[in-house]
Amino acid sequence: AQSVTQPDIHITVSEGASLELRCNYSYGATPYLFWYVQSPGQGLQLLLKYFSGDTLVQGIKGFEAEFKRSQSSFNLRKPSVHWSDAAEYFCAVGAIDGNKLVFGAGTILRVKS
Amino acid sequence: IAGITQAPTSQILAAGRRMTLRCTQDMRHNAMYWYRQDLGLGLRLIHYSNTAGTTGKGEVPDGYSVSRANTDDFPLTLASAVPSQTSVYFCASSESGLAGASGELFFGEGSRLTVL
Repeated sequence: AQSVTQPDIHITVSEGASLELRCNYSYGATPYLFWYVQSPGQGLQLLLKYFSGDTLVQGIKGFEAEFKRSQSSFNLRKPSVHWSDAAEYFCAVGAIDGNKLVFGAGTILRVKS
Repeated sequence: IAGITQAPTSQILAAGRRMTLRCTQDMRHNAMYWYRQDLGLGLRLIHYSNTAGTTGKGEVPDGYSVSRANTDDFPLTLASAVPSQTSVYFCASSESGLAGASGELFFGEGSRLTVL
């Protein structure tokens, strides 16, 4: 069965600084990988996804993520964080032969001015 | 605006009572899901439905039941609520599951349930 680990529960960065949120997954085959963002009081919104091909994927709001098979990782990055990026971020993994996503516990991002 | 509607947005419930959380989507998606979100645990799948007329158990199905009589509606029922079911519940849908072209889940805004 697949699983996802997000090692950082909270991260605080200064506005304008770069950001990297870590995600490690466990799955026996090539996974489908996702990053979702949740603003307070809202549902989750898809930031980006990786199915196959180029291991560096671009998403909305200036985010990108890189799939590294050798490290079983799919870290989320942004070169310059904006105050509006403060939210909770979830990494998720899905099985190609199924349609259920397994989510990590989430990382809460705080942005300080 | 197309999307997923959940009701109620918030509810306080006495233990032992029956409760149904409603979920309706207008995107004609085949697959629908119920997740619960708890601090430090992320989202955990309760039940899912690949298409109207079929349902399946997720990671934490005990104490919950679902039905999928048509494409649009996917209610979640707590037959006899217990305090451990205090959580935020999210309904989601996808076009045709991860094997499809998109694989994206669309989420409702959640239903906050407190069981006393």
